[in-house]
Amino acid sequence: LAKTTQPISMDSYEGQEVNITCSHNNIATNDYITWYQQFPSQGPRFIIQGYKTKVTNEVASLFIPADRKSSTLSLPRVSLSDTAVYYCLVGDNLGTSGSARQLTFGSGTQLTVLP
Amino acid sequence: KAGVTQTPRYLIKTRGQQVTLSCSPISGHRSVSWYQQTPGQGLQFLFEYFSETQRNKGNFPGRFSGRQFSNSRSEMNVSTLELGDSALYLCASSPTATNEKLFFGSGTQLSVL
Repeated sequence: LAKTTQPISMDSYEGQEVNITCSHNNIATNDYITWYQQFPSQGPRFIIQGYKTKVTNEVASLFIPADRKSSTLSLPRVSLSDTAVYYCLVGDNLGTSGSARQLTFGSGTQLTVLP
Repeated sequence: KAGVTQTPRYLIKTRGQQVTLSCSPISGHRSVSWYQQTPGQGLQFLFEYFSETQRNKGNFPGRFSGRQFSNSRSEMNVSTLELGDSALYLCASSPTATNEKLFFGSGTQLSVL
C-alpha cells in the first residue's frame, strides 16, 4: 500500500493561499492522488483528484511533479470556513472492475485559518 | 440526488452487545466501503463491497462483518462490543470499483459504555 506523509498541522490567515504537500514515495503506476476535506463529526468530502501535472477545479488546484512522489494541494484565498482536516489519499490496485481496492487515509493535515 | 445516508446517527451500547449500522449509497452507486474513525487511529479501512461481494477487508477482527444487498444498500455488524469500538463509523459509496472519488455519509457515532 502506498503510504502518505503530510504535515500534522498548518495555520494560515484569511485571504492567503495555502499549499499542503503530501509525500507518497511508493506510489504505483495505476494510482491516482485524491484529496479530501473533513469537518468535525462529518464524513470527508472530495476536493480534487489527479494523476500527473496540474489539475484545477472551482475550489483548489493540485500540482503533481513528473516523478509523482509528492503532490501539493493549493487552496486560493482561504476563509475561516476552510478550517478542516485535509487528507491526501493514494489509490491502490486500481484497474479493472473486480480487482481489490483498499484505500489508505494518512493522518491528515489540520488547517486552521485565522482571522 | 440524495447523498449517502447512514442510520442511526448516534448509538449507545454496552460492552458485549452487538450493533448493526446501515448505509444507503447514492442511487446508482454499486461500491460501498466502510471506515472506522477514532482520534487515536484516524480513518481506517474496514471493508468494501461491490455488487454484493466483499472485495477487500481491512485489518480488523472477525467481530466486524458486513454485507451488501442487491439494491447496493449495506450493513455492517459488530458483535461482542468492546470499549475500543467507540468510534465514528463512516460509509462511502462510489459509482464503480475503480473510481477514487468517494462520497461519504455523515457517519454513525457509536459509544460503547
